[in-house]
Amino acid sequence: GEDVEQSLFLSVREGDSSVINCTYTDSSSTYLYWYKQEPGAGLQLLTYIFSNMDMKQDQRLTVLLNKKDKHLSLRIADTQTGDSAIYFCAETSGNTGKLIFGQGTTLQVKP
Amino acid sequence: KAGVTQTPRYLIKTRGQQVTLSCSPISGHRSVSWYQQTPGQGLQFLFEYFSETQRNKGNFPGRFSGRQFSNSRSEMNVSTLELGDSALYLCASSSVGTAYEQYFGPGTRLTVT
Repeated sequence: GEDVEQSLFLSVREGDSSVINCTYTDSSSTYLYWYKQEPGAGLQLLTYIFSNMDMKQDQRLTVLLNKKDKHLSLRIADTQTGDSAIYFCAETSGNTGKLIFGQGTTLQVKP
Repeated sequence: KAGVTQTPRYLIKTRGQQVTLSCSPISGHRSVSWYQQTPGQGLQFLFEYFSETQRNKGNFPGRFSGRQFSNSRSEMNVSTLELGDSALYLCASSSVGTAYEQYFGPGTRLTVT
């Protein structure tokens, strides 16, 4: 079945780069997404990548997709304390609004 | 453009009662999806509505139902509430055909006592 896995916790120093990793099992995934959730809030769409792309860059965010290994990563350059949050990886297959989410990675940024 | 709005934001109910949650999508968005978020199970898909029709359904019991109106606003209903239904219920709207970018509302925090 469909499954998305993420490591649960990452701690970095302010100014360093953060890399959050995700693996998925559904080979028919068409879009893969990264969402951010701050305490007490809903999910904020950060970026997404289409499955026929290898990389997508959006300001401080870089998404890398290895379709062969079904591995997705999100790199945040120059990480700030305001980036502290839970980051969710999600995938969907086909033309559907059903997202399958990972468990979320808590990013802690130390000053 | 206004974002996705959900009402109420917080709700406390007793076991056995029923509850209705409301979601207003971003103007122009016709797809609305609902998710349940709990510490134990994470984010789980409940259902998706498009043009007043349910297009997808997650693996939840029949106590969970929803509907969508002609103006794309959506409601979800949970009947015979159980303690395990305590969760953050999130609604997301999407403009179909644009990489299915789903934009989430702030959620409704439901507590069942």
